[in-house]
Amino acid sequence: GQQVQQSPASLVLQEGENAELQCNFSSTATRLQWFYQHPGGRLVSLFYNPSGTKHTGRLTSTTVTNERRSSLHISSSQTTDSGTYFCAIERGSNAKLTFGKGTKLSVKS
Amino acid sequence: EAGVTQSPRYAVLQEGQAVSFWCDPISGHDTLYWYQQPRDQGPQLLVYFRDEAVIDNSQLPSDRFSAVRPKGTNSTLKIQSAKQGDTATYLCASSLTGVTGQLYFGEGSKLTVL
Repeated sequence: GQQVQQSPASLVLQEGENAELQCNFSSTATRLQWFYQHPGGRLVSLFYNPSGTKHTGRLTSTTVTNERRSSLHISSSQTTDSGTYFCAIERGSNAKLTFGKGTKLSVKS
Repeated sequence: EAGVTQSPRYAVLQEGQAVSFWCDPISGHDTLYWYQQPRDQGPQLLVYFRDEAVIDNSQLPSDRFSAVRPKGTNSTLKIQSAKQGDTATYLCASSLTGVTGQLYFGEGSKLTVL
């Protein structure tokens, strides 16, 4: 089965609304990262968060390792937040990241 | 500091043709990855190198795909006899061993096979 499952697959918000993106993984992850990809753009790492909660700006990532889940919270969304958000895990120390299928976010003004 | 550079940005082929993609990682990064990203999907690892050595190429379709990194710096991914199913964006990424959470991607090479 799929190792990394993300939900929802897509999400449409009005500017100013909050978003909660979910990531569930089927095996123990030693590392977990959230990435952002602008349409047609490169992937950019948002958070490296194997456990606990991290904040940057309007973004908050919370990973509960023993429950094999992570979330990405976007507060007060802006149109520039539109794009696809990916969760990726690494197992062991082999440096291989396995990505989910992503959540496509569209924020409308 | 220059980021990861890839070329060409776009390629359009007929089935059966060959194409090569080139990647220049961030200077000093010892690990280099090639990912395949089909439209509306997440990236899938094809192969990765540490210096010039292939560490894992288990997901590389070996009959038509090949990748090299001869001097442990730049890398080339070649697809021979392309198929429509190879249509995807090919992403290169680099990192430095021991530095966690720092994986840098290039802009990708978008391949369309007609």
